[in-house]
Amino acid sequence: GAGVSQSPSNKVTEKGKDVELRCDPISGHTALYWYRQSLGQGLEFLIYFQGNSAPDKSGLPSDRFSAERTGGSVSTLTIQRTQQEDSAVYLCASSRVLGNEQFFGPGTRLTVL
Amino acid sequence: GIQVEQSPPDLILQEGANSTLRCNFSDSVNNLQWFHQNPWGQLINLFYIPSGTKQNGRLSATTVATERYSLLYISSSQTTDSGVYFCAALGNTPLVFGKGTRLSVIA
Repeated sequence: GAGVSQSPSNKVTEKGKDVELRCDPISGHTALYWYRQSLGQGLEFLIYFQGNSAPDKSGLPSDRFSAERTGGSVSTLTIQRTQQEDSAVYLCASSRVLGNEQFFGPGTRLTVL
Repeated sequence: GIQVEQSPPDLILQEGANSTLRCNFSDSVNNLQWFHQNPWGQLINLFYIPSGTKQNGRLSATTVATERYSLLYISSSQTTDSGVYFCAALGNTPLVFGKGTRLSVIA
């Protein structure tokens, strides 16, 4: 597509439930990144994928967070047993290759009640 | 890892005024980007500028990699320029963002 797309745009869930967030990168971009932005804060790196290489998971805050990227394109970020501190905007970005200019999607606003 | 600091944290301008936003980073970078986050939360790419100077309309940016800083210039500011401006640096890990400069342009 023309830009990075994410779904859903908003997600409200109850504490303890699992959620899945989806990201469609720009066509042809081999690198895909997930970040989160808590209220009034900057962006925090979570995980990135580059081609078929093993992902860099160094930014994931706990083992409740995981992500996969199928077929080198679409990615899903899964948060298990959500907690209130997981409430944030989750942003996805892609770049042609790792280190090139990154382009961001509109984000998914997650609210955990 | 790289540390990124932005200044000032907040800035209020009268419409038509000029401003300079600064970004300092602690180590050599392979990539430096400036973004504008609009009131709806969308991050809009302004510049990809690991070094040198670029201009786009009323905006321009300069990165002096050897001195580890970048500047974003906004001239003849408009109310639509309001929002948060982020600088982000890439060393050997994905982008590290500064805390941003919140700009308010008043008519």
